[in-house]
Amino acid sequence: GEDVEQSLFLSVREGDSSVINCTYTDSSSTYLYWYKQEPGAGLQLLTYIFSNMDMKQDQRLTVLLNKKDKHLSLRIADTQTGDSAIYFCAENGGGSQGNLIFGKGTKLSVKP
Amino acid sequence: ETGVTQSPTHLIKTRGQQVTLRCSSQSGHNTVSWYQQALGQGPQFIFQYYREEENGRGNFPPRFSGLQFPNYSSELNVNALELDDSALYLCASSFTGTDEKLFFGSGTQLSVL
Repeated sequence: GEDVEQSLFLSVREGDSSVINCTYTDSSSTYLYWYKQEPGAGLQLLTYIFSNMDMKQDQRLTVLLNKKDKHLSLRIADTQTGDSAIYFCAENGGGSQGNLIFGKGTKLSVKP
Repeated sequence: ETGVTQSPTHLIKTRGQQVTLRCSSQSGHNTVSWYQQALGQGPQFIFQYYREEENGRGNFPPRFSGLQFPNYSSELNVNALELDDSALYLCASSFTGTDEKLFFGSGTQLSVL
């Protein structure tokens, strides 16, 4: 079945790089996404990658996709305290456009 | 700021009651999806509406129903509320036919007592 797995917690020091990892199961996924959720808020789309790409860079964010291993990662360079949030990995699983399958989220804590 | 607005922000209901949640899509978007996010979990897909018709449904019972209006705004209705329906309900809008980016509202926090 469809499943997206993430580690639940990550703690880093301000200024370090953060790497959040995700594995997914549906090889028919055409897009993979990273969303950020701050306390009491909705989901903010950070970045996404098309399945025929293996890397995408957007300012401090770098997404790496290993389609063979169904592994997705998000690297945040120069992590700031404002990056503290829950980060969700999601795949579209080949279903209807709005049907994203989310992981449980990784809580990133950034210590000063 | 995504341009997707949801109302109300918070709601308290009792078991057995019915609830209606509302969503206004981002300008130019024609598709709306609804998600349920239980505490400590990732969002789960409820259903999607395109051209005022349901166009995909997750593993939710029929007491979860929806509407999409000609102006692309949407409602989520839940009948016979159960305690487990307590969750954050998120609406997301997108434009079918382009890249598949979903933009989420801030959600409605529903508590069922």
